[in-house]
Amino acid sequence: DVKVTQSSRYLVKRTGEKVFLECVQDMDHENMFWYRQDPGLGLRLIYFSYDVKMKEKGDIPEGYSVSREKKERFSLILESASTNQTSMYLCASSLFPRGQPQHFGDGTRLSIL
Amino acid sequence: GENVEQHPSTLSVQEGDSAVIKCTYSDSASNYFPWYKQELGKGPQLIIDIRSNVGEKKDQRIAVTLNKTAKHFSLHITETQPEDSAVYFCAASGVAGTASKLTFGTGTRLQVTL
Repeated sequence: DVKVTQSSRYLVKRTGEKVFLECVQDMDHENMFWYRQDPGLGLRLIYFSYDVKMKEKGDIPEGYSVSREKKERFSLILESASTNQTSMYLCASSLFPRGQPQHFGDGTRLSIL
Repeated sequence: GENVEQHPSTLSVQEGDSAVIKCTYSDSASNYFPWYKQELGKGPQLIIDIRSNVGEKKDQRIAVTLNKTAKHFSLHITETQPEDSAVYFCAASGVAGTASKLTFGTGTRLQVTL
């Protein structure tokens, strides 16, 4: 089975802090994704990566950046956390070709105070 | 870009009844349509998917239908059980060039009552 592991289930940070969310997958998938999930808005794509050191903006990239130094690891960075970034963050991975299912981690619930 | 609308936002059915969740998409080039189930405290789990060259797919009590002309697809759950209670998301694979990007609906909270 594919396993996508997010390093923290719950995280509390302060406004202005630099925040790192980590995600690791064990299935040698080329694609990795970061979403945020908010009530009534579904899952919205922040950034994705289709290869090491490659990244593309999703639908809501403002205030975020990403890093992919190794194939199995994809990090989401909040450069200067703000209260409107309080949310559930979900990481996913998939094989490269179009039309492949994405496999999700269990999420990190991030609170910015 | 792709836009996916999902209805209803909440659905309550009695155990043993059927449940239907409907989604529409905007990009006629989309060719892959997965459905995810999210239980409390967990990430979304793939339950069934369909590709644009197929009109219907079944897996035990779950089925998905696709109407490419009308650009809508539906999830059907028969003989519902309490463990079917969860939030369900539909998604469509849009054209992203370099990766298989999914656009998700806003979710349906299904409650199966005894």
